[in-house]
Amino acid sequence: KNEVEQSPQNLTAQEGEFITINCSYSVGISALHWLQQHPGGGIVSLFMLSSGKKKHGRLIATINIQEKHSSLHITASHPRDSAVYICAGRLMEYGNKLVFGAGTILRVKS
Amino acid sequence: DTGVSQDPRHKITKRGQNVTFRCDPISEHNRLYWYRQTLGQGPEFLTYFQNEAQLEKSRLLSDRFSAERPKGSFSTLEIQRTEQGDSAMYLCASSLVPGSSGNTIYFGEGSWLTVV
Repeated sequence: KNEVEQSPQNLTAQEGEFITINCSYSVGISALHWLQQHPGGGIVSLFMLSSGKKKHGRLIATINIQEKHSSLHITASHPRDSAVYICAGRLMEYGNKLVFGAGTILRVKS
Repeated sequence: DTGVSQDPRHKITKRGQNVTFRCDPISEHNRLYWYRQTLGQGPEFLTYFQNEAQLEKSRLLSDRFSAERPKGSFSTLEIQRTEQGDSAMYLCASSLVPGSSGNTIYFGEGSWLTVV
């Protein structure tokens, strides 16, 4: 079992739909990152959170420490949101390095 | 400072050749990480530096791989005697030492390696 699991692996949505991507982890983490990766590989950090909820524009990230679960929500999705979304846990030990989920491939159709 | 930069962005090499990738982190960042990503997978940790000290190496990093950060600024990742299984994207990331308020991690664009 991977230390960080994401679901779904693939997601196709219609423009305007509300999207949720889930992330569960089984290791002790000090923070969880949501990352966006576009074709070509560049990764952008969307959120880093260790508790509660953060919002940036149409993106919302939540984390439940007790349940070891985080979600990324996209409201009013748009084709430009199409990308791979990756959650990554920052380990409490081992140099605080990141362990990554496999990613969710999101395609938003117009 | 424009962020983490990696060079080259793409490299095609013949099996058995050596390749070297360079990463320039954000200037004040003392942590630098190397990750490897294959198609359809999330990145996997390879190694990390705090300043010039290499503090951890993954078992994924065979003895054909070596990484350096000689002056605590830029880093190089060298792969000797490349094999086809080395084909992947090599990602560099940098951050301040975790624990700083508002600290986050910044990624480079990645260096794609194709071994033919």
